[in-house]
Amino acid sequence: EDKVVQSPLSLVVHEGDTVTLNCSYEVTNFRSLLWYKQEKKAPTFLFMLTSSGIEKKSGRLSSILDKKELFSILNITATQTGDSAVYLCAVHSDNTNAGKSTFGDGTTLTVKP
Amino acid sequence: GAVVSQHPSRVICKSGTSVKIECRSLDFQATTMFWYRQFPKKSLMLMATSNEGSKATYEQGVEKDKFLINHASLTLSTLTVTSAHPEDSSFYICSARDVVQGAVSETQYFGPGTRLLVL
Repeated sequence: EDKVVQSPLSLVVHEGDTVTLNCSYEVTNFRSLLWYKQEKKAPTFLFMLTSSGIEKKSGRLSSILDKKELFSILNITATQTGDSAVYLCAVHSDNTNAGKSTFGDGTTLTVKP
Repeated sequence: GAVVSQHPSRVICKSGTSVKIECRSLDFQATTMFWYRQFPKKSLMLMATSNEGSKATYEQGVEKDKFLINHASLTLSTLTVTSAHPEDSSFYICSARDVVQGAVSETQYFGPGTRLLVL
């Protein structure tokens, strides 16, 4: 059974801090790892990672994948209160024709002013 | 990016009634859509994979007669919660993958979700 574990489950920081969110996985037929941000409603896409060691970057957010050690990290620098959200990690496998995604439990990030 | 809509956004119903939730891909065609359920402070739990023109594939433990899925067209999937009970109260989210250069994208675009409250 595919498994995705995120840590920490929750994190409280102050504006300006840098945070690192972790995602480890055990899946067969790995295709990609995706990060999503969920505020009050449905998740919004952040990054998709398929290759080891290649950093994806978008503004203050960046992410990298290690396919040997089976984990990914999501970094947020100079955090702002608007970064407060649940960050979800999902791994896409090729176990079925449709290729479903397995989600971790998420990391709840709270950024205090 | 691709846009997915869901309707209604919120519904309150009496126990024993059926509720239909619609999921539409607005600017792309989706042969496959996914239905998730999310409990408070928990992650997304995949309920079923909706396939256009064929039967849905349900995850283990999800009752197919309770949660009816119909994917009648390339832009619409519906989830009907039949004979709803208070324990069915939850946040239901659909997602779809668009097609990029002839291949199904691995990025999921989520609808805004439907909050169901069964009294």
